[in-house]
Amino acid sequence: QVKLQESGPRLVKPSQTLSLICTVSGGSLSSDSHYWVWIRQPAGEGLEWIGRFSTSGITKYNSSLTSRVTMSVDTSKNQFSLTLTSMTAADTGLYYCARGNFGNLFDLWGQGTPVTVSS
Amino acid sequence: EIVLTQSPGTLSLSPGERATLSCRASQSVSSSFLAWYQLKPGQAPRLLIYGASTRATGIPDRFSGSGSGTDFSLTISRLEPEDFAVFYCQLYGISLLTFGGGTKVEIK
Repeated sequence: QVKLQESGPRLVKPSQTLSLICTVSGGSLSSDSHYWVWIRQPAGEGLEWIGRFSTSGITKYNSSLTSRVTMSVDTSKNQFSLTLTSMTAADTGLYYCARGNFGNLFDLWGQGTPVTVSS
Repeated sequence: EIVLTQSPGTLSLSPGERATLSCRASQSVSSSFLAWYQLKPGQAPRLLIYGASTRATGIPDRFSGSGSGTDFSLTISRLEPEDFAVFYCQLYGISLLTFGGGTKVEIK
């Protein structure tokens, strides 16, 4: 049974960089059939797609975040990561990693990790 | 850009009651690409319905989806205690990805 688990800091200072890791267990990250994505839920708001990548190298980011976002993968550890620079209070929220197909349907999610931006 | 509007924002019901959640698109969409998710605190979100009406693996049959064009709905026939959560609809596709604003189903 494939599971995803997010990890990373819960508190980030304004202007700093957030780095989160998603660990995939029970299955391989190296799938030709899936994208791996990050989705967030800003405090008090709905779901927002951050971006996706495939292990074949295809990457796409939300146009509103593209200047601040980087996603990468470590297939040896079965992990993928999210880096979000220049954090502000507006970035406070719950961050999820998920597995999607090429049609952007997300069939497997991590339980999410809360991130607060505060000095 | 297609906007998905969910209503109501909050639905207050008792266990055993029927819940009907609405998701309206700003323009007609293919029902093949409408999904519903359930989000509960501290748990991994769960894909409930895709293709507007197909239950995902392991989803109980008290959950059903329907609709076409611009109007879609998720129905929970008899609410179980574990069903109280926030539900999101999503439009998906090769170049489509939009979430609705969510409906919270809370215990009355």
